[in-house]
Amino acid sequence: DIQMTQSPSSLSASVGDRVTITCRASQSISTYLNWYQQKPGKAPKLLIYAASSLQSGVPSRFTGSGSGTDFTLTISSLQPEDFATYYCQQSFSSPPLTFGGGTKVEIK
Amino acid sequence: QGLLVESGGGVVQPGGSLTLSCTASGFTFSTYGMHWVRQAPGKGLEWVAFIRYLGGNKFYGNSVKGRFTISRDNSKNTVYLQMNSLRAEDTAVYYCAKDNMVQGVIGDAFDIWGQGTVVTVSS
Repeated sequence: DIQMTQSPSSLSASVGDRVTITCRASQSISTYLNWYQQKPGKAPKLLIYAASSLQSGVPSRFTGSGSGTDFTLTISSLQPEDFATYYCQQSFSSPPLTFGGGTKVEIK
Repeated sequence: QGLLVESGGGVVQPGGSLTLSCTASGFTFSTYGMHWVRQAPGKGLEWVAFIRYLGGNKFYGNSVKGRFTISRDNSKNTVYLQMNSLRAEDTAVYYCAKDNMVQGVIGDAFDIWGQGTVVTVSS
């Protein structure tokens, strides 16, 4: 199974800050990497697929990059509605599809 | 667009069974694979199962293999998760999710999610 490791597990930031979340795969997954946002009590929402493609309707302040084993989700200017937990997920090898442990973005 | 609505959650005793349903609308259900993903209380996301668009191929996570069965009825735009031999560690919110790839083979990203249904395994 491919293990996905996110860092940090949580972070505190202010509105307007640039935020970067990292996801590392236990083996190369090319660009088969997706990012989700989840708010408390809600279902996750797809933000980025194939490492860097923005899902329709997602604001352009969200960008994804990386390939191989190391990936990054960047929020260029954090907005109040962006405070949430973010998950990466690999789709290179299945079964199983696997998620990272999550990164909680909190208000400083 | 598209909408997924789950049902069937509830409280069940250890060793018991439960069947979840997920009904889709707003997209051509029969051309997309479908997933179940779960989230234990206070924990992260865990992929549970995937069924290809015609239902002929099914894949399972290690923790549910042999106990859970995914199926679909394309005439009803519905995917199911039959859960047997339930354990306390199966307690979670269960989400159904649409695969983002037309006629996908092994599953890709999850681009539409249901609201989730709660399964509690407790005596």
